[in-house]
Amino acid sequence: EVQLLESGGGLVQPGGSLRLSCAASGFTFNNYGMSWVRLAPGKGLECVAAINGGGKTTLYADSVKGRFTISRDNSKNTLFLQMNSLRAEDTAVYYCAKRHGDYYAVYDYWGQGNLVTISS
Amino acid sequence: EIVMTQSPATLSVSPGEGATLSCRASQGISSNLAWYQQRPGQAPRLLIYGASTRATGIPARFSGSGSGTEFTLTISSLQSEDFAIYYCQQYNNWPRTFGQGTKVEIK
Repeated sequence: EVQLLESGGGLVQPGGSLRLSCAASGFTFNNYGMSWVRLAPGKGLECVAAINGGGKTTLYADSVKGRFTISRDNSKNTLFLQMNSLRAEDTAVYYCAKRHGDYYAVYDYWGQGNLVTISS
Repeated sequence: EIVMTQSPATLSVSPGEGATLSCRASQGISSNLAWYQQRPGQAPRLLIYGASTRATGIPARFSGSGSGTEFTLTISSLQSEDFAIYYCQQYNNWPRTFGQGTKVEIK
């Protein structure tokens, strides 16, 4: 059974940093691209970062480019999102999501979501 | 960035009735379109990809159609568990973008 277990969310002041983790199990982790998708209050879903299975190729939404870093440790089946220079508009539930396969950039399994609140 | 526009924002439907949800892309995306369902407090669930292919375990009452810029998700005979928010997502270009969602509520 595929499982994605997130951790690391919480309350942080504007300008601060936070690191999210996503522990994966039930599939061959290094064979699949992964992403972080967030849902901000009153808004729709936003894919903020993506990484390929080998960890060498990363993509970022313009809203987080230069502030967030996606990475993965395939030896530990874990995905990370390092978030720096956080802003109020980064407040959201953050989901890690597994890509369906090489051809379809859609997400067939999601974590339970991790609330990140940016507030002073 | 490709903008995805969903309509209507809210759809009121009686259990057992059908529902039709629309999604429009700001530019052509071929069939690179997915649909997700999100129930309150839960993660999104993949329903449809490739515009019309049901994901594993998705009931046949969910069907998708369209290509280019216009797409439709049809739910025949809504069950209680189908009342949720539905999002479309394009994966033709990066960034992968989602619509704002259509809330299907009980009438």
